[in-house]
Amino acid sequence: DAGVTQTPRHEVAEKGQTIILKCEPVSGHNDLFWYRQTKIQGLELLSYFRSKSLMEDGGAFKDRFKAEMLNSSFSTLKIQPTEPKDSAVYLCASSLDRGNTEVFFGKGTRLTVV
Amino acid sequence: GDSVTQTEGLVTLTEGLPVMLNCTYQTIYSNPFLFWYVQHLNESPRLLLKSFTDNKRTEHQGFHATLHKSSSSFHLQKSSAQLSDSALYYCALTGGLSGKLTFGEGTQVTVIS
Repeated sequence: DAGVTQTPRHEVAEKGQTIILKCEPVSGHNDLFWYRQTKIQGLELLSYFRSKSLMEDGGAFKDRFKAEMLNSSFSTLKIQPTEPKDSAVYLCASSLDRGNTEVFFGKGTRLTVV
Repeated sequence: GDSVTQTEGLVTLTEGLPVMLNCTYQTIYSNPFLFWYVQHLNESPRLLLKSFTDNKRTEHQGFHATLHKSSSSFHLQKSSAQLSDSALYYCALTGGLSGKLTFGEGTQVTVIS
């Protein structure tokens, strides 16, 4: 089985641009997560979907960050407009819809905003 | 809301010595699930071990941890560190019906020879 697939792996954007990150979860997984990872803040939850329904979006990220899940096998994270402070690694992850199961992470998208 | 605390941000130790990483948590749920995730350089986090049984030791790849609900702790230990253990370690929990992981701040471990 394929793991979590994220594209692109690297993205460079100019300040003010709109960027869209893509994620394909593990087949059969019902929970999907978007995290942002930085050295200072560690792992921060951006969005959490269960069976395509938005369960939680990180309060601090509502302003310019929007995650969508139009079908069970594909999700996007849009950042609009980008700012230099958004430079980070964005990780998508998925799991079965039970809290005791392993969460599988994608390889991440490294975003640099200049 | 839930929270996880890892007191050590950076740990440097010599190969062959024991290692212990601290993890304490707060949650409203009486039966949380606790996890340790490990992230090697240029890789994604992956599960190292997990537990939900009070006072039962769980082991994997030479690491072990015991969930103690009385002290809300889930410390990670290894008797003899190896160079390949150098990585970022995250403690995390889930509670109730939610699959959302609440992560600690992470502990960067560097093992030197």
